[in-house]
Amino acid sequence: NAGVTQTPKFQVLKTGQSMTLQCAQDMNHNSMYWYRQDPGMGLRLIYYSASEGTTDKGEVPNGYNVSRLNKREFSLRLESAAPSQTSVYFCASPSGTYEQYFGPGTRLTVT
Amino acid sequence: DQQVKQNSPSLSVQEGRISILNCDYTNSMFDYFLWYKKYPAEGPTFLISISSIKDKNEDGRFTVFLNKSAKHLSLHIVPSQPGDSAVYFCAATGTSYDKVIFGPGTSLSVIP
Repeated sequence: NAGVTQTPKFQVLKTGQSMTLQCAQDMNHNSMYWYRQDPGMGLRLIYYSASEGTTDKGEVPNGYNVSRLNKREFSLRLESAAPSQTSVYFCASPSGTYEQYFGPGTRLTVT
Repeated sequence: DQQVKQNSPSLSVQEGRISILNCDYTNSMFDYFLWYKKYPAEGPTFLISISSIKDKNEDGRFTVFLNKSAKHLSLHIVPSQPGDSAVYFCAATGTSYDKVIFGPGTSLSVIP
């Protein structure tokens, strides 16, 4: 039982390049979330999916797209990366009691 | 405007003493509060939570206190241990919410 897994762990992109961050959970939870963590800002919600087939914008969705491929997988895509998207990205999946299980994170640098 | 505030970016405490981490919130619709702990290069992990129907919840060395009238909660760690050194995030949500709002975090250092 791995919980929440994320790939890749690290990535360096040039401005304008695209990439997809992958997330998978094996806890059979309905909801999945993508956050970014920046110094002094805490964890800010980018997009979330309350159930398979649905996605909604969070606090900071601009520049990102998501796909809820199935119940297990929720991917985050950067179509044209910008230096402002340099951050640590966390995928999370909550249990029914609001407690969120987080993946190990993806550290992304955009130059 | 931040709905969940942690006004101390960092805190340093001697091993064996009490650590008190504070959190304030602005939205009176929040009725469930959580604390998460994060070590470097790892994802946050859930630590303890409290519902607004309670004013205290205890789990071993960790106690969370909630003052609804002041919109304030605090996490007490007694006694503090070096392994408690981490970033602590306060978070809030509610029955009418489908998302959790996180504060900016407080970095705790426990000095041996």
